[in-house]
Amino acid sequence: RKEVEQDPGPFNVPEGATVAFNCTYSNSASQSFFWYRQDCRKEPKLLMSVYSSGNEDGRFTAQLNRASQYISLLIRDSKLSDSATYLCVVNIEGSASKIIFGSGTRLSIRP
Amino acid sequence: NAGVTQTPKFQVLKTGQSMTLQCAQDMNHNSMYWYRQDPGMGLRLIYYSASEGTTDKGEVPNGYNVSRLNKREFSLRLESAAPSQTSVYFCASETSGGTNEQFFGPGTRLTVL
Repeated sequence: RKEVEQDPGPFNVPEGATVAFNCTYSNSASQSFFWYRQDCRKEPKLLMSVYSSGNEDGRFTAQLNRASQYISLLIRDSKLSDSATYLCVVNIEGSASKIIFGSGTRLSIRP
Repeated sequence: NAGVTQTPKFQVLKTGQSMTLQCAQDMNHNSMYWYRQDPGMGLRLIYYSASEGTTDKGEVPNGYNVSRLNKREFSLRLESAAPSQTSVYFCASETSGGTNEQFFGPGTRLTVL
């Protein structure tokens, strides 16, 4: 079993739709969680950190469920510019060698 | 600020050739990383450096060496390239103080024939 698993997609949704992705992790010692965005043939960029209480940044909402060991990303009112691959990242605190990237979920927004 | 820069952007090698990938950051970060990204596999950590003068192996270090030349620069060397090392290589640096945000360079696309 992979340490961090994501549905690879692709998710193909119309502009304006709401879309959600989940990411599961296997190590219960995981402490830090992030969503990164990666455009085609570009480097990953931090989208948002994920906090225990959940957090929102504009149209994006991230949630953490420690009991079930998953994090989620919700995108409301999706835009064409949201088309990208979304990477789930898990970090075991204090261990630089244990930063694990998921393989990503591809999202395509159609007009 | 340039952020994280990498050279070269593209490289084609023949099996057995050697090369060094260069990375530099101007954000005064202590930690720097080298990853490779292959289709369907996500980014995998090759080596990292928690501070100037220290380096440690990541998940897939075999076939690679690194040098943390100073706080700004972290290079990755392939001594004898193999086709299995065909990949996209990303360098990253990380903020200090607990936020763990990583900033990536634009990547090097390496093909080994």
